[in-house]
Amino acid sequence: GENVEQHPSTLSVQEGDSAVIKCTYSDSASNYFPWYKQELGKGPQLIIDIRSNVGEKKDQRIAVTLNKTAKHFSLHITETQPEDSAVYFCAAIWTNDYKLSFGAGTTVTVRA
Amino acid sequence: NAGVMQNPRHLVRRRGQEARLRCSPMKGHSHVYWYRQLPEEGLKFMVYLQKENIIDESGMPKERFSAEFPKEGPSILRIQQVVRGDSAAYFCASSPGARAETQYFGPGTRLLVL
Repeated sequence: GENVEQHPSTLSVQEGDSAVIKCTYSDSASNYFPWYKQELGKGPQLIIDIRSNVGEKKDQRIAVTLNKTAKHFSLHITETQPEDSAVYFCAAIWTNDYKLSFGAGTTVTVRA
Repeated sequence: NAGVMQNPRHLVRRRGQEARLRCSPMKGHSHVYWYRQLPEEGLKFMVYLQKENIIDESGMPKERFSAEFPKEGPSILRIQQVVRGDSAAYFCASSPGARAETQYFGPGTRLLVL
């Protein structure tokens, strides 16, 4: 199965600064890369995703970049706000598969 | 437009009892996935079902665990003779199709085994 590594495990940023989370994957045939945000006591919420035929995707303050050659993808959050504090998970799905393989998660804390 | 629903949200069982977790997918979704999240860890795939069929149960322990998705009604994840190691959050997700379709998650059931 797919192996996904996520760094850092914790990230503390000042409100207004940017946050970047990086993930690497092992299977070059992976073609779908979603990012989920999980708040305490809740289920993972999809915040952005990217497919392997695209290098970058942006949605307001959130962007994801994908480097297929290096097999890594990153989440960028700009102008962070206290409500961005949560655990963020990257995931990947291998081509023709359906199982999400998750990273271990990054706990993001935005300091006011 | 209701999302994925799971119940109960919290479940307490004593060792040896049975736990039944229910999941209703989003309207129009016929694919259901179950994942388990241990404390301080990411989610791990357990089982993938379509209506009346188990497609892949490779992530589910061979003993004590079973899953179903009947023609009518919610998907059920059943854990027999629970042990303390079964304590975790169990999440259900659904998608309209398979093969790299976006999966939408429910709020989860937090199982505590005493």
